[in-house]
Amino acid sequence: EEQLVESGGGLVQPGGSLRLSCAASGFTFNTFWMDWVRQVPGGGLEWVANIRQDGNEKYYVDSVKGRFTISRDNGKNSVYLQMNSLRAEDTAVYYCSRRLDLWGQGTMVTVSS
Amino acid sequence: IQMTQSPSSLSASVGDRVTITCRTSQAIRDEFGWYQQKPGKAPERLIYAASTLHSGVPSRFSGSGSGTEFTLTISSLQPEDSATYYCLQYNSYPRTFGQGTKVEIK
Repeated sequence: EEQLVESGGGLVQPGGSLRLSCAASGFTFNTFWMDWVRQVPGGGLEWVANIRQDGNEKYYVDSVKGRFTISRDNGKNSVYLQMNSLRAEDTAVYYCSRRLDLWGQGTMVTVSS
Repeated sequence: IQMTQSPSSLSASVGDRVTITCRTSQAIRDEFGWYQQKPGKAPERLIYAASTLHSGVPSRFSGSGSGTEFTLTISSLQPEDSATYYCLQYNSYPRTFGQGTKVEIK
């Protein structure tokens, strides 16, 4: 079964850091672009970032550029989102996605003092 | 690319034909998709390449359009179709979603 499982969410203070992980299984991970998408509770979807199969091409939404870094480890079938300088407006459920066709269940990130 | 999705919500009866529209601020060929999201769940892809049905999606769902105007049609609304629907463009970066359409069953 194809599956994505996120982890690493939690409560963090403004200005703090958090690293999200996404473990993939059931498909050939190193042949797909991987994305992160977030959703404020009760709100809409916002695409955050993605990364090419070899990790050498990455794209970000403007609001996270310079603060978030996407990476992957094909040996571990995992993709990561390092989030620094977190702000209250980063509070959301973060979804990992395989090329926006397969999605994980999401992990909640709350930025609050 | 800006996305304008309409309506923001609708209420319809079982068996009704339902149409949701999404307009993009510039032409995106057919690099466009539709997603369904139920409360507390992750989004699920319904349509990609504007009109191609994702594997396992019921045939009552269909997509059409190209360029700047796209439509999702549910030919005969079922109780399990109660959800929020989002459009997405993947023609350029950043990827952008529509604001969502909440579909309720009367």
